[in-house]
Amino acid sequence: GEDVEQSLFLSVREGDSSVINCTYTDSSSTYLYWYKQEPGAGLQLLTYIFSNMDMKQDQRLTVLLNKKDKHLSLRIADTQTGDSAIYFCADTRGTASKLTFGTGTRLQVTL
Amino acid sequence: DVKVTQSSRYLVKRTGEKVFLECVQDMDHENMFWYRQDPGLGLRLIYFSYDVKMKEKGDIPEGYSVSREKKERFSLILESASTNQTSMYLCASSFTGYEQYFGPGTRLTVT
Repeated sequence: GEDVEQSLFLSVREGDSSVINCTYTDSSSTYLYWYKQEPGAGLQLLTYIFSNMDMKQDQRLTVLLNKKDKHLSLRIADTQTGDSAIYFCADTRGTASKLTFGTGTRLQVTL
Repeated sequence: DVKVTQSSRYLVKRTGEKVFLECVQDMDHENMFWYRQDPGLGLRLIYFSYDVKMKEKGDIPEGYSVSREKKERFSLILESASTNQTSMYLCASSFTGYEQYFGPGTRLTVT
């Protein structure tokens, strides 16, 4: 099947930048999403990027898309303890309604 | 604000019981989804529905069924619960072509 892969864990110091990586296999994806899940909660949309874009910036968040390598990354500048969460990337499959999620990356922010 | 609610945050059931998980959304979304979330596996799609009384199997439908009698409500049914169905269950809804909004999740334990 078509997979979306992420590393499982990332630890950064408060104030540093975090980079969370994701690889996907379906080149027909139209949108790619980043969701955040805080402890005990559902998923919350952080940001998304359309497949014809290379980069999108939204305050402390920067999304980079390398279509050739099918690689997506999320950079969080000036990481804070409140950024500690699980981050999921997801791509669309054919119809823009179904998403396939990665395994999630648990971001731990240390003081 | 979009609101997706799930009937229970925590549920404990015995092996062989029939289990109903309810999800309600208040944004008139046509699409609704049921996922299960397990550590290291990310979110896996169980079923989704793109209209009232319409449903499609996701990646892991075995052991589950769904019901959508009204647009705002999507139910997940475990006909005979088993211990390997212990998991976090997440419901989501969306307009076609737009991001999914998630409920807070139901943590189901089957003993």
